[in-house]
Amino acid sequence: GAVVSQHPSRVICKSGTSVKIECRSLDFQATTMFWYRQFPKQSLMLMATSNEGSKATYEQGVEKDKFLINHASLTLSTLTVTSAHPEDSSFYICSANEGGVGIEQFFGPGTRLTVL
Amino acid sequence: KQEVTQIPAALSVPEGENLVLNCSFTDSAIYNLQWFRQDPGKGLTSLLLIQSSQREQTSGRLNASLDKSSGRSTLYIAASQPGDSATYLCAVSSGNTPLVFGKGTRLSVIA
Repeated sequence: GAVVSQHPSRVICKSGTSVKIECRSLDFQATTMFWYRQFPKQSLMLMATSNEGSKATYEQGVEKDKFLINHASLTLSTLTVTSAHPEDSSFYICSANEGGVGIEQFFGPGTRLTVL
Repeated sequence: KQEVTQIPAALSVPEGENLVLNCSFTDSAIYNLQWFRQDPGKGLTSLLLIQSSQREQTSGRLNASLDKSSGRSTLYIAASQPGDSATYLCAVSSGNTPLVFGKGTRLSVIA
């Protein structure tokens, strides 16, 4: 299957700092990438849908100014958590596919963010 | 709004048992349904993808069925092994929405 990578796998930062997480499709071109957040013992909650070359579509309740998404190329999307606070501590997972919804998604290994 | 429910939330079985995990969804107008495995602190591994026109998919000891009209899917694991211990997530894709996930079933297979 297709491979999606995330970097970093784990990050610890102080409150108020910004953290950037990268999501890369390694062996295919990802027209669409998705960002999810998962709190302990909870399921994945979609944060936003990222389409290459256009603005991301955010789910209700997700602050677009706090969670900046950039999908500048067909193999890379970035999520920047700006002015992170302890309540932003979570497991962030990206997924990608070759085009739109309804097509099999391939997931990255996730990034564990801890904000002190 | 699509909602996905997984039952049971947790399951503990002795090694060698066959087991069934259940998934139900409220809107039957889906494109596909996926079963994933998630190990603690890790990302998702796709196990099986069933398109809406299909009734089942098999991979090794895993068999997933789909009854779209009743909004149900099952994941059957044969001859369970301790290495099967993980959280199993069901997710559906419908309309123009991305995947909607259930809360998962935490499986423990005891040696």
